[in-house]
Amino acid sequence: GAVVSQHPSWVICKSGTSVKIECRSLDFQATTMFWYRQFPKQSLMLMATSNEGSKATYEQGVEKDKFLINHASLTLSTLTVTSAHPEDSSFYICSARVGGLDIQYFGAGTRLSVL
Amino acid sequence: AQSVTQLDSHVSVSEGTPVLLRCNYSSSYSPSLFWYVQHPNKGLQLLLKYTSAATLVKGINGFEAEFKKSETSFHLTKPSAHMSDAAEYFCVVSFLTSGTYKYIFGTGTRLKVLA
Repeated sequence: GAVVSQHPSWVICKSGTSVKIECRSLDFQATTMFWYRQFPKQSLMLMATSNEGSKATYEQGVEKDKFLINHASLTLSTLTVTSAHPEDSSFYICSARVGGLDIQYFGAGTRLSVL
Repeated sequence: AQSVTQLDSHVSVSEGTPVLLRCNYSSSYSPSLFWYVQHPNKGLQLLLKYTSAATLVKGINGFEAEFKKSETSFHLTKPSAHMSDAAEYFCVVSFLTSGTYKYIFGTGTRLKVLA
């Protein structure tokens, strides 16, 4: 149980285009989802916390207009990287929290390469 | 304030020998602590979790961790390393803020297993 699916696993796009990444909880309802960014050989950096039906809470220094997060249902959150630039190239990972528990279950990640 | 320190960025062991990955934490409250493993280009997999029920926590794949409050440590161990254990390991502390549990990640320890 507690499976989180993230799609796509790898995406290459041209500079200036937008990319959408999906995060789904397959066998549970996730009232809260999280989006992380991971640079090569570094730890995970929390970008934003997404609660179903409300606006995401962004961490300091994360541009909310560049990284659009939507959590329209209890099983789906999306991250859209708008007007992507090469510096946005990174590994993006989502996670979902099960109910009132403090365990997060992680997706397999999305590697974004912006040319 | 909450923080996590992983004392070794890299650990190398021979196959069949014990593994010790060190983690120290700082928390204002009784913490929830986790160990996650990340294989290359993959998401994070939960190995084990401490939540005050028992100081010795057994996880998957033969890993276990011992919570020592007096030492503020939560070291991860395994009696005998396997080649498939080679990966990045993250120690995580969870804390409640603004009604949401958030994670603080350690910087990670890369485990190398030598044949």
